[in-house]
Amino acid sequence: QVNLLQSGAALVKPGASVKLSCKASGYTFTDYYIHWVKQSHGKSLEWIGYINPNSGYTNYNEKFKSKATLTVDKSTNTAYMELSRLTSEDSATYYCTRFGGGLWYFDYWGQGVMVTVSS
Amino acid sequence: DIQMTQSPASLSASLEEIVTITCQASQDIGNWLAWYQQKPGKSPQLLIYGATSLADGVPSRFSGSRSGTQYSLKISRLQVEDIGIYYCQQASSAPWTFGGGTKLELK
Repeated sequence: QVNLLQSGAALVKPGASVKLSCKASGYTFTDYYIHWVKQSHGKSLEWIGYINPNSGYTNYNEKFKSKATLTVDKSTNTAYMELSRLTSEDSATYYCTRFGGGLWYFDYWGQGVMVTVSS
Repeated sequence: DIQMTQSPASLSASLEEIVTITCQASQDIGNWLAWYQQKPGKSPQLLIYGATSLADGVPSRFSGSRSGTQYSLKISRLQVEDIGIYYCQQASSAPWTFGGGTKLELK
């Protein structure tokens, strides 16, 4: 069965960076894009960007272009998102989600990882 | 960016009641519209895609419709397990955008 397993919660200091992981299983990793979505506490969902695991091509929401960097490791079926120069505004739950395969919507989601930025 | 305006922001309904949530797109998105359900502490789950198609495993009491740039999600007979927050999302063009959410509670 399809599963997207995300890394554990992170507590990071302002100004630091954090790298989140999303390990895919149960399907061919390179057949689907991986998108990342931000959800601030009690708020709606914001699309950050996506990566094509096959080519490494990325597309970012303009709002997150200088904040997020998406990469993949095809050998381990893992997608990564690095968030840089963290501030309190980056405290949120971040989800990875699968997209593609003829269904151009987010059909499977990771369990989410909470990032807390605090000194 | 395409704005998705969802209403109502919150809704209280009784079991077996018919519930309707709407989403207004700021421009034409065709049928590129999805609905997601998010239960407390959980990830969003795809309910409806292509404005009207039911995702795998979703009960048939859920349905989606479209009238121009207004989209609706209908729950024909509300069940306890339907409680949560519902989001619409446009997939017409990047950046993909979501509605503000509708919190559905039991009366």
